[in-house]
Amino acid sequence: NAGVMQNPRHLVRRRGQEARLRCSPMKGHSHVYWYRQLPEEGLKFMVYLQKENIIDESGMPKERFSAEFPKEGPSILRIQQVVRGDSAAYFCASSRTSGRAVDTQYFGPGTRLTVL
Amino acid sequence: SQQGEEDPQALSIQEGENATMNCSYKTSINNLQWYRQNSGRGLVHLILIRSNEREKHSGRLRVTLDTSKKSSSLLITASRAADTASYFCATDANTGNQFYFGTGTSLTVIP
Repeated sequence: NAGVMQNPRHLVRRRGQEARLRCSPMKGHSHVYWYRQLPEEGLKFMVYLQKENIIDESGMPKERFSAEFPKEGPSILRIQQVVRGDSAAYFCASSRTSGRAVDTQYFGPGTRLTVL
Repeated sequence: SQQGEEDPQALSIQEGENATMNCSYKTSINNLQWYRQNSGRGLVHLILIRSNEREKHSGRLRVTLDTSKKSSSLLITASRAADTASYFCATDANTGNQFYFGTGTSLTVIP
């Protein structure tokens, strides 16, 4: 059973370009979460999605950032017009259940975004 | 903010010694989890403890939870060089199952 997969592992973009980060959850998991880890800091929640629905995007910047989890295919975190401050590691996690029956979140290896 | 805060920020011990890390949080939780992150790698889930549990064991790991003090501790016994990593506690939002992480404890185990 493959774990959570993220690609690319490393992404370099110039200021103003777009960054697309992909996440494939574990088999049987329909809940996906994105976290950002700035250098020397802990992980911060960004967004929680189920298939075709954004459940909670309270941690995501209002501008330039968007996320989707289509019926088919991986979840995508999209950052438009990247700035240097977007340089960070972006982690995706998936879980089986939701709501009050809280389940373990399993993390992918992360995508390290560097904005030049 | 519900974010967990780990203490100490950095810990250096000799191989074979025990390592204790603490985590404090601010609001009530359903669960608390501990994760390990090796340098430059993703997070690895270590253990989940529910709010109605006080202690949990997994191999050389022992986690305690004191909801009255809003704190948890992770004990690694008989440490090994391979335990060198950053350790994070994560608390849930109490309304969903997204987790909030602290800044982590950086553990170095010296061979």
